[in-house]
Amino acid sequence: DAGVIQSPRHEVTEMGQEVTLRCKPISGHNSLFWYRQTMMRGLELLIYFNNNVPIDDSGMPEDRFSAKMPNASFSTLKIQPSEPRDSAVYFCASSFDNYNEQFFGPGTRLTVL
Amino acid sequence: GQQVMQIPQYQHVQEGEDFTTYCNSSTTLSNIQWYKQRPGGHPVFLIQLVKSGEVKKQKRLTFQFGEAKKNSSLHITATQTTDVGTYFCAGSDYKLSFGAGTTVTVRA
Repeated sequence: DAGVIQSPRHEVTEMGQEVTLRCKPISGHNSLFWYRQTMMRGLELLIYFNNNVPIDDSGMPEDRFSAKMPNASFSTLKIQPSEPRDSAVYFCASSFDNYNEQFFGPGTRLTVL
Repeated sequence: GQQVMQIPQYQHVQEGEDFTTYCNSSTTLSNIQWYKQRPGGHPVFLIQLVKSGEVKKQKRLTFQFGEAKKNSSLHITATQTTDVGTYFCAGSDYKLSFGAGTTVTVRA
């Protein structure tokens, strides 16, 4: 298995632009997580899905952030409009059920200028 | 809600020495997991503890789950440069909550 796949690996954009991050979880996993990591705030859970359904989005910072999981093999995290304070590394992780070992993707390093 | 606290935030260790990092929860946990993130990398699962008082070892790493299932520790003996990174604990009741991590640097 290729593990969790994220794209792009790096994204540089200008303030106000829309950003879409993509994730392909490990086949067979039914839980998917989006995290944001910064030096100041550490590793923050933004949202997680179980069986493609959003279960807890309490970590989503504001309405500019949205996440979807249209099927078991794909998820997106969208920021519109982006702001410089959104600059961070965004990780996607998947697991079999939401309390088991999580497998992290390599992350997307987002820079908003 | 559930909160997982880790101390210390930073650990500077002389190569060859031992150190311990601690994880405490405000609630009883069903299990606790430990992850390691190398600089520039992503968190990688190390181990999961489920039973009260459980102790597990991985080579120079010893993991312990408290009797009350509200705290855990990771002890590393004879620290090596390969131990550099950030160690996260993650506690679970109905979902996994990550601590802030202990970032370890090693002096050769």
